[in-house]
Amino acid sequence: QITLKESGPTLMKPTQTLTLTCTFSGFALNTSGVGVGWIRQPPGKALEWLAVIYWDDDKRYSPSLKSRLTVTKDTSKNQVVLTMTNMDPVETATYYCARRSNWGEGAFDIWGQGTMVTVSS
Amino acid sequence: SYELTQTPSVSVSPGQTASITCSGDKLGDKYVCWYQQKPGQSPVLVIYQDSKRPSGIPERFSGSNSGNTATLTISGTQAMDEADYYCQAWDSSIWVFGGGTKLTVL
Repeated sequence: QITLKESGPTLMKPTQTLTLTCTFSGFALNTSGVGVGWIRQPPGKALEWLAVIYWDDDKRYSPSLKSRLTVTKDTSKNQVVLTMTNMDPVETATYYCARRSNWGEGAFDIWGQGTMVTVSS
Repeated sequence: SYELTQTPSVSVSPGQTASITCSGDKLGDKYVCWYQQKPGQSPVLVIYQDSKRPSGIPERFSGSNSGNTATLTISGTQAMDEADYYCQAWDSSIWVFGGGTKLTVL
């Protein structure tokens, strides 16, 4: 069974740096073609892709957020970490991590439950 | 930046066919997938690589992609299909989501 679970702060202040951890099981991030992505969703709004890290440590970032995002992986711990600097209240959202399968041509086939992050002074 | 446009809402009667569209410039040149999201739940992949169904997704879900438009079709729509649906395009470097379509079954 493949599972992913996000963890991190639920409340933070503007300008702070967000650090989220995705802990997964049931697959290995050293398998060719596999990746883990981050996607967020403000309350009542659409999904927004943030970043992906691949099995070979290749990384892709949303062009509009690239300067503020960093994604890393720890294969031995089955974890992927996303950091986002200079958080703003409009970035209050549920943050999801999801597996980018090696068969779906860019699809995220398994998603975590999401973690709600509120940015407020 | 690349954008995908979806109709905000679609209504369908039970047993009928629902069509949800997603448009973007030369979308047919990219891979498209579709996600279903019910209230309070995480998205679920229902179509990938334009028209393929993951294991466990009912056959009534189908997809197509050509030109500037991708379409998710739900045949014989059931009440359980009421949800938000998001298209997503991928071109090897970036992922883009559409604005979502709320499907109402009434």
